[in-house]
Amino acid sequence: DTGVSQDPRHKITKRGQNVTFRCDPISEHNRLYWYRQTLGQGPEFLTYFQNEAQLEKSRLLSDRFSAERPKGSFSTLEIQRTEQGDSAMYLCASSFSGPVDTQYFGPGTRLTVL
Amino acid sequence: AQTVTQSQPEMSVQEAETVTLSCTYDTSESNYYLFWYKQPPSRQMILVIRQEAYKQQNATENRFSVNFQKAAKSFSLKISDSQLGDTAMYFCAFVPSEWYNTNAGKSTFGDGTTLTVKP
Repeated sequence: DTGVSQDPRHKITKRGQNVTFRCDPISEHNRLYWYRQTLGQGPEFLTYFQNEAQLEKSRLLSDRFSAERPKGSFSTLEIQRTEQGDSAMYLCASSFSGPVDTQYFGPGTRLTVL
Repeated sequence: AQTVTQSQPEMSVQEAETVTLSCTYDTSESNYYLFWYKQPPSRQMILVIRQEAYKQQNATENRFSVNFQKAAKSFSLKISDSQLGDTAMYFCAFVPSEWYNTNAGKSTFGDGTTLTVKP
């Protein structure tokens, strides 16, 4: 399977705990994106990387959120001191930068904060 | 900042019929791309079709086609010969152009239209 993969697919945690999600992009893609999607809404942009550089961060990304892409391949998204409002689907997408930035999505990680 | 509006939260269509999903957007960008994505229940987002804003010709992919009206900032999706497998949530997305644009890569999505194809 050469698509975008995400791990875990589901995560249930208690409020105040830290969680970390992983995304493995399509291998030749140099861009990687994180989105958050709540029920009945479209994905909201959180941040994106070109290679290992984090180029943009949404104001939705509070200081409890941090994302890394240390070697320009996989990425991790960490949420510290989780809150119930963090419950959502976290989507990862990747693309190859060029004239048309077509993003391909992974299956998402569904986070439930109790 | 860009906004994308999908004014039809839910739609239904009979199998084999044609349905059109609407999308409007607002932007001050002159170069951009528009996408339709499909998200089946509990499954991942799949690209349906894309349109480069500088192209006047409407994009077509098999049973899927768009009606792109740049001046009206409208980007509707037409699904012909609807199939049961088309049942999904459909999202319209706006992406600024890559070139000379610090906002490149910051996609904006609408809130989606849930389409149900009935047998």
